[in-house]
Amino acid sequence: SQQGEEDPQALSIQEGENATMNCSYKTSINNLQWYRQNSGRGLVHLILIRSNEREKHSGRLRVTLDTSKKSSSLLITASRAADTASYFCATDGPYNTDKLIFGTGTRLQVFP
Amino acid sequence: DGGITQSPKYLFRKEGQNVTLSCEQNLNHDAMYWYRQDPGQGLRLIYYSQIVNDFQKGDIAEGYSVSREKKESFPLTVTSAQKNPTAFYLCASSIRTSGTYNEQFFGPGTRLTVL
Repeated sequence: SQQGEEDPQALSIQEGENATMNCSYKTSINNLQWYRQNSGRGLVHLILIRSNEREKHSGRLRVTLDTSKKSSSLLITASRAADTASYFCATDGPYNTDKLIFGTGTRLQVFP
Repeated sequence: DGGITQSPKYLFRKEGQNVTLSCEQNLNHDAMYWYRQDPGQGLRLIYYSQIVNDFQKGDIAEGYSVSREKKESFPLTVTSAQKNPTAFYLCASSIRTSGTYNEQFFGPGTRLTVL
């Protein structure tokens, strides 16, 4: 089963613009993570936000978490062509922190 | 270099054959995971292991088998019972810290095609 769903499924922007991706999930969580995947490659961890946090920053990334709405957003500021990739949110299970449940992903295309 | 490796990168199999995908890590991580990814989709968990000689089924374990005889290694066998095995397979590992969940580190993946 997939807990998270990203929105939009695909996003195309120009370099320098900001990109915002949203993730919704179904059950309570302990933390939420965002990962990036370049085409045909493995995933790379970007950022983790815990359920008692509302916002977190890492370089050009800003993540927010609203546990009342069961949603998170990932903002990439001043995007670059190299940011072109798929982005996935992942949550731990409601009663089991031993595994992650991944969303369906947002495919981001940044045009030079 | 520390990391997680998968081999082969591409694998072709005839129907009815079993194949084994390799996953090795030198990160000293306790936990290891196998995922399947279909085109345009997210990751689905096949099997995971928190400790040597122990593993649990994920969401789509049917037609797959694993072993965890060594901490560094978590091979996945795709058996002939798996009806639609063509997919991209990803292995991951993570540190286990009691009461805390950590990020997963992924290998580069193996693309399996059944002919």
